[in-house]
Amino acid sequence: DAKTTQPNSMESNEEEPVHLPCNHSTISGTDYIHWYRQLPSQGPEYVIHGLTSNVNNRMASLAIAEDRKSSTLILHRATLRDAAVYYCILRSPANKLVFGAGTILRVKS
Amino acid sequence: EAGVAQSPRYKIIEKRQSVAFWCNPISGHATLYWYQQILGQGPKLLIQFQNNGVVDDSQLPKDRFSAERLKGVDSTLKIQPAKLEDSAVYLCASSLKGGQKYTEAFFGQGTRLTVV
Repeated sequence: DAKTTQPNSMESNEEEPVHLPCNHSTISGTDYIHWYRQLPSQGPEYVIHGLTSNVNNRMASLAIAEDRKSSTLILHRATLRDAAVYYCILRSPANKLVFGAGTILRVKS
Repeated sequence: EAGVAQSPRYKIIEKRQSVAFWCNPISGHATLYWYQQILGQGPKLLIQFQNNGVVDDSQLPKDRFSAERLKGVDSTLKIQPAKLEDSAVYLCASSLKGGQKYTEAFFGQGTRLTVV
């Protein structure tokens, strides 16, 4: 399984944008980039995914580098409810969903 | 729509005892996953089913863990005998799979197991 590298933790101020980076230099051409987040005491929840083009949804935006070796999850205005662990995952053709350690996002009021 | 249901929510057992967890995925979801999440770590994939067949169980400690998915719907995960290091949250997730289209996985609330 191709691996991803994320910072252990990041901090943001409330109402400000947050850019969460992810490196995946060994990504294959058929791997989709998925982001999930896990709020305290809950199961992970889907945030967004993409293959080559940038993606937007109601929760966030996903910016994918042209060479696909890195991506950035963008939360446009962080709120206290966005404090969570964010996981960047490469979803293989076998449909496996393998989590790494993720990035702990702390949001300050 | 109803989410992924798991039971029980909490379980405390003594080491060497056995325990079983149950998962009911979202209706129509062919893919089902079981994960183990130890405190402070990301979820670790134990087993993945596609309908009632096993796609991947490379991380499942088969000497003590077993899982089945009868009729491609509900699934149970069993531990026998339990060890102290099995204390964790056990998460079940399900997703649709149609060809090369990757859909989001939905997770249950998990079962928190404490082995004493």
